[in-house]
Amino acid sequence: EVQLVQSGAEVKKTGESLKISCKASGYTFSTSWIGWVRQMPGKGLEWMGIIYPGDSQTRYSPSFQGQVTISADKSVTTAYLQWTSLRASDTAMYYCASQVMVGLGGGFDFWGQGTLVTVSS
Amino acid sequence: DIVMTQSPDSLAVSLGERATINCKSSQSLLCSSNNKNCLAWYQQKPGQPPKLLIYGASTRGSGVPDRFSGSGSGTDFTLTISSLQAEDLAVYYCQQTHHTLWTFGQGTKVEIK
Repeated sequence: EVQLVQSGAEVKKTGESLKISCKASGYTFSTSWIGWVRQMPGKGLEWMGIIYPGDSQTRYSPSFQGQVTISADKSVTTAYLQWTSLRASDTAMYYCASQVMVGLGGGFDFWGQGTLVTVSS
Repeated sequence: DIVMTQSPDSLAVSLGERATINCKSSQSLLCSSNNKNCLAWYQQKPGQPPKLLIYGASTRGSGVPDRFSGSGSGTDFTLTISSLQAEDLAVYYCQQTHHTLWTFGQGTKVEIK
């Protein structure tokens, strides 16, 4: 059974750093794209970027390039999303999602449960 | 960036009636690698992560009821719910996965009339 299990909710202060995780199981982690999607309160889905764990090839949306870092550790089949300096505007639900069975161009067929990040001053 | 524009932003449909959501891309989504349109549709119910409904513009995801169908090619796509059920109350998003940077539409909220 394919599963993506995300780390728990976080409450942080502006300027702090943060790394959230997404543990994958039930499929070959290194050969499937895995990515992150932001959903701000009451808003739509925003594609942040994706990584191919096999060779660490990473693509970022221009809106998030330089603001976050996406990484993956094949040894523990886990993807990460990291901030060095949080802003209040980073308050959102963050979903990891992977492209496992649908093939190239098929979108994300498996999703994590989401990690709520709350940033306050 | 590829811009995905959905219409309408919201619609109210009676139970058992048809719901139609449109999605327009600023560039063609025909993928040369597999000769399919790289367009997906998702359903997001309140408090839940999105669920893949349709990929390749017209292929239903695993376990998706056949009242959901996708059509279109190039830049214009449609998601149709043939007979709306109460459990279909949700926000629906299209997403292009053709170009290097994937993008979502703004979402369409489906309500029960």
